[in-house]
Amino acid sequence: SQTIHQWPATLVQPVGSPLSLECTVEGTSNPNLYWYRQAAGRGLQLLFYSVGIGQISSEVPQNLSASRPQDRQFILSSKKLLLSDSGFYLCAWSPGTQNQPQHFGDGTRLSIL
Amino acid sequence: SQQGEEDPQALSIQEGENATMNCSYKTSINNLQWYRQNSGRGLVHLILIRSNEREKHSGRLRVTLDTSKKSSSLLITASRAADTASYFCASPLSGNTPLVFGKGTRLSVIA
Repeated sequence: SQTIHQWPATLVQPVGSPLSLECTVEGTSNPNLYWYRQAAGRGLQLLFYSVGIGQISSEVPQNLSASRPQDRQFILSSKKLLLSDSGFYLCAWSPGTQNQPQHFGDGTRLSIL
Repeated sequence: SQQGEEDPQALSIQEGENATMNCSYKTSINNLQWYRQNSGRGLVHLILIRSNEREKHSGRLRVTLDTSKKSSSLLITASRAADTASYFCASPLSGNTPLVFGKGTRLSVIA
């Protein structure tokens, strides 16, 4: 069966520090991968998605970036965090075909001080 | 951009009652999905209903889809305290594009 791992679960970072959140998927090949951010009590905002290694689509211009160095690895990064980057970050995967559900990791709670 | 919008934003019911949540969307879809999120956790997929389907069941969950009204509903029958969570609808804007989620309905089931 497929599993998705996302870490760390919580992270407290100072403003201006770098960020690296990692997400890996097991048990499937060539998945679509997604990074979302969720503000407190709000819906999900799609940040990046990828349909293959090295293929990244950015939905929202900001100081975050994403990379997919391996088929089942998706990394969210920032060189300098802003206060507004605080939130709940969720990684998800889906099979690369239409009409398929997405499967989410447990999320990372990021607090910027 | 926002595709789906859930209604109501919050719902509080007694255990054993039925809970109905609605979702309206803007563009034509090929499927609509419902997800559940417990506080501080990731989303869990509940049901996917395709545009050519009108109703789908899974255990105590029933989802309907009315493409003419661009709306869907999620019914949870005989609710339990463990059903307390936020529920989201989502659909792709087109084809195999990523899902766009609504803001969710916060359901509280009181024992």
